[in-house]
Amino acid sequence: QKEVEQNSGPLSVPEGAIASLNCTYSDRGSQSFFWYRQYSGKSPELIMSIYSNGDKEDGRFTAQLNKASQYVSLLIRDSQPSDSATYLCAGASYNTDKLIFGTGTRLQVFP
Amino acid sequence: DTEVTQTPKHLVMGMTNKKSLKCEQHMGHRAMYWYKQKAKKPPELMFVYSYEKLSINESVPSRFSPECPNSSLLNLHLHALQPEDSALYLCASSHSRGAGHDTQYFGPGTRLTVL
Repeated sequence: QKEVEQNSGPLSVPEGAIASLNCTYSDRGSQSFFWYRQYSGKSPELIMSIYSNGDKEDGRFTAQLNKASQYVSLLIRDSQPSDSATYLCAGASYNTDKLIFGTGTRLQVFP
Repeated sequence: DTEVTQTPKHLVMGMTNKKSLKCEQHMGHRAMYWYKQKAKKPPELMFVYSYEKLSINESVPSRFSPECPNSSLLNLHLHALQPEDSALYLCASSHSRGAGHDTQYFGPGTRLTVL
């Protein structure tokens, strides 16, 4: 069974802090990974995608991928209350047509 | 432009009704998806269309019937649903099926309530 695992949280961080969201996956065939943000009652919104080992930065967001450890993370710098949402990690491999979603981590940023 | 549109935004239907959900994208994507999402759960894949042909059916009950009239449109026909089918129904699209690096973009969803 191919799985993506996340801590469901909530992860609570103060405004201005760095939020660190983590994800592990079991399928070594997974090639690409995606972080989606989902506000309550809304649809998932793509934040970052990452395909290669290392870091990828986009504004306040940094995605990290370590294929040897089967680990993906998302760092949010200078966290804002508007970042409070559920963050879904998803993986995909070339030999499937599906995204495998984690259960999501709920992030709470308090003023 | 990475917009996927869905109509209606909200739908309330009885168990004997027939209704349809609609999804549209104009990004030239050739893969389209239907997901079902229950509260506090991740999206659950239902169907995948690739180049207007059904490529994946995740053992979805026949009361859900997908249709892809053309490369920009995706419908989900609903008939004789059960209250437990109440959920957020999400449509997504991507460039092509199984491309590995293929990002899926989600529409805003249809909130379905079955009475």
